[in-house]
Amino acid sequence: KQEVTQIPAALSVPEGENLVLNCSFTDSAIYNLQWFRQDPGKGLTSLLLIQSSQREQTSGRLNASLDKSSGRSTLYIAASQPGDSATYLCAVTSNDMRFGAGTRLTVKP
Amino acid sequence: GAGVSQSPSNKVTEKGKDVELRCDPISGHTALYWYRQSLGQGLEFLIYFQGNSAPDKSGLPSDRFSAERTGGSVSTLTIQRTQQEDSAVYLCASSLRQDSYEQYFGPGTRLTVT
Repeated sequence: KQEVTQIPAALSVPEGENLVLNCSFTDSAIYNLQWFRQDPGKGLTSLLLIQSSQREQTSGRLNASLDKSSGRSTLYIAASQPGDSATYLCAVTSNDMRFGAGTRLTVKP
Repeated sequence: GAGVSQSPSNKVTEKGKDVELRCDPISGHTALYWYRQSLGQGLEFLIYFQGNSAPDKSGLPSDRFSAERTGGSVSTLTIQRTQQEDSAVYLCASSLRQDSYEQYFGPGTRLTVT
């Protein structure tokens, strides 16, 4: 059974700092890995999708990497802004889709 | 274009009553997923539909939960004889196809069982 872990559970950084969120999974036989953000009281917003054959994806200030063999993914956020404050979820699709518990990010002005 | 929509946005029901939650996926998306997020917990997969194939019901927590998808589009998640532990946000997502395609999520239905 696939298990997804996200570290840290919470992170607080000053505005402008670069940061890395971590996601690990136990079964490397995956189709893809997806990063989402969730704002309080709202649904999920997809940020980046990495196919199993890919190593990384980039969108604006976001960069996600995937290392299937080690069961790890990172989400790099450059030059963080207060608007980046949200919970970031990692989800792995194999036989079904499994989510991590999320990292709650706070970017202080 | 229009995204995934869900209704109602909020539902309060008494313990023991049945509820129906609706999901309208993005037009053309053949895969549809249901998840729930309980307070303080992560997202939990419930069920998915892919085209006309039999749905994967492996995530349904009990036989009180069922879902159907009519005409390959709209889906209804039904919870019979609701219990307080069913209180959660129920999220629906759709994608072009299963597996390698990005999932787009609806805003969710917040269910409260009193």
